Amino acid sequence: DIQMTQSPTSLAASVGESVTITCLASEDIYGSLVWYQQKPGKSPQLLIYGATILEDGIPSRFSGSGSDTQYSLKINSLQPEDFASYYCQNGLSTPYTFGAGTKLELK
Amino acid sequence: QVQLKESGPGLVQPSRTLSLTCTVSGFSLTSYGVSWVRQPPGKGLEWIAAIWSGGSTDYNSALKSRLSISRDTSKSQVLLKMNSLQTEDTAMYFCAREGPGSSGYFDYWGQGVMVTVSS
Repeated sequence: DIQMTQSPTSLAASVGESVTITCLASEDIYGSLVWYQQKPGKSPQLLIYGATILEDGIPSRFSGSGSDTQYSLKINSLQPEDFASYYCQNGLSTPYTFGAGTKLELK
Repeated sequence: QVQLKESGPGLVQPSRTLSLTCTVSGFSLTSYGVSWVRQPPGKGLEWIAAIWSGGSTDYNSALKSRLSISRDTSKSQVLLKMNSLQTEDTAMYFCAREGPGSSGYFDYWGQGVMVTVSS
């Protein structure tokens, strides 16, 4: 199985700041990296797929980058609604595996 | 519009079998795959099983011996059965649609159903 190591586990930031979350795959996933946002009590929401492709309706302050085994999610100019948990996911092959998550909290 | 809705018992006794149903609308099960993903309280996401648009199935190897996924296309439903339930199976269970063309990502999710395993 492909292991996904996500960091940091938690992150405190202020509105207007920029943050970056990273995800390391245990093997090359050829850009098949997915990012989700999850708010408490809600189901995950797709943000980015194919490492860099923004899902329809997602604000452009979210961006993804990376290749091979290393990927990152950047959020520019944090808004109040961005404080949530974020998960990466291996989209290359089953079993689809997720990172452990990053909780983004308001400083 | 695309919708998925999970249903099932909220409480299951240990060693019993869990049956969950995902009822979908706004798309056809013969055109899109559907997976089940679970999340224990306060923890991360775990992919459990999938049924692809052609009807073939795939399972998390760690759970495979206890799982069965199937579908009823006439009812637009995906069914998940998990036997020999343990307390560690307590979780929110989500069904999710895979994006077009076996894309590897989930573009629509249900609201989830909480399952507690307890005597």
